[in-house]
Amino acid sequence: GEDVEQSLFLSVREGDSSVINCTYTDSSSTYLYWYKQEPGAGLQLLTYIFSNMDMKQDQRLTVLLNKKDKHLSLRIADTQTGDSAIYFCAPLNSGGYQKVTFGTGTKLQVIP
Amino acid sequence: DTAVSQTPKYLVTQMGNDKSIKCEQNLGHDTMYWYKQDSKKFLKIMFSYNNKELIINETVPNRFSPKSPDKAHLNLHINSLELGDSAVYFCASSWGGRPGNTIYFGEGSWLTVV
Repeated sequence: GEDVEQSLFLSVREGDSSVINCTYTDSSSTYLYWYKQEPGAGLQLLTYIFSNMDMKQDQRLTVLLNKKDKHLSLRIADTQTGDSAIYFCAPLNSGGYQKVTFGTGTKLQVIP
Repeated sequence: DTAVSQTPKYLVTQMGNDKSIKCEQNLGHDTMYWYKQDSKKFLKIMFSYNNKELIINETVPNRFSPKSPDKAHLNLHINSLELGDSAVYFCASSWGGRPGNTIYFGEGSWLTVV
């Protein structure tokens, strides 16, 4: 099965950029998702990138994919206190049927 | 309108009991899932149904039995609850077999076994 690793914790100051990293093992992952989980809530899809792309930008979010190294990152520009949450990297496994494997999650703490 | 709704949101029960968590989606999706999130926030898929047919069944004890009466519902029944079953259970849905389509999650059901 796929292994997905993330650092567990990240602390940044409000206004700074945050970079959350993820490594995965299944080189045939076609889509790679980023989900956000706020305290006591479900998961919300933030963005995703298709495996034939290197970068995707969506407002304050930038996703970078290094397919050779199987490394994915999520950059949040001008981080706000409302960005404090757990962020999950989730590659879509090969073989179809939306079987995503979630990473360990990175808890982002934004310091005012 | 809640897209994926699960009930109950909180459940505290004793070891050995049998309990069910219900899930309904009003998005017209053909695929539904159950995920388990443990105390360390690790999120693992348990089951997936596509058009009421079981397509993903991860290594889950037989005490867990999903039931999909129709495409819009996927319920999770747990027999003989154990302390280790304490977790947050998330229901989700999507258009299965079509990568890139968003998986929508419910708000979660917090199960505490005492």
